[in-house]
Amino acid sequence: GESVGLHLPTLSVQEGDNSIINCAYSNSASDYFIWYKQESGKGPQFIIDIRSNMDKRQGQRVTVLLNKTVKHLSLQIAATQPGDSAVYFCAENGGGTSYGKLTFGQGTILTVHP
Amino acid sequence: NAGVTQTPKFQVLKTGQSMTLQCAQDMNHNSMYWYRQDPGMGLRLIYYSASEGTTDKGEVPNGYNVSRLNKREFSLRLESAAPSQTSVYFCASIVSGGTDTQYFGPGTRLTVL
Repeated sequence: GESVGLHLPTLSVQEGDNSIINCAYSNSASDYFIWYKQESGKGPQFIIDIRSNMDKRQGQRVTVLLNKTVKHLSLQIAATQPGDSAVYFCAENGGGTSYGKLTFGQGTILTVHP
Repeated sequence: NAGVTQTPKFQVLKTGQSMTLQCAQDMNHNSMYWYRQDPGMGLRLIYYSASEGTTDKGEVPNGYNVSRLNKREFSLRLESAAPSQTSVYFCASIVSGGTDTQYFGPGTRLTVL
């Protein structure tokens, strides 16, 4: 199957800065994308999602951007806080009959320094 | 409402031993999933159950079996554990009604010696 990958495996920022985490996907049939946050010793936690008929979606302090032309997904975190330190994964659903089956990227480690 | 629960949290096995990882969800979700996560990697799908009474292989099913006991419970069995199965195992379930958002349990950390 096709895979989802990340450009940057690690990202270090200062508290209060904005963070941008990137993700490249290769399956043009995918129509649903999700960002997860995983803290040490815990399961992935849903952050925000976006469907392929959208190019931007905003949540609380987070924004996901989708560029279907270049198959790129990004997660923007505003005013990053130490509690945002975690591994962030993007995932895609593969579209069509792949309903509910997600393909995950490798993850980006975000470290926020006080 | 506990969400997705998994037992045990930790387990150490010797090569060749068997065990069953348990997963339950109380959100009335139709679909359930088992993933493994190896150090520094994303999650890989082992098996899934789209609905009660059905199971299907995912990306890495070899060495595992599953049982969808009822709508709430989905178990993963290792019949003869191997060191390559040392990993963290996550169970997930999906919201019913058309989205693909999966909700994850806290994980089981398995070490096979």
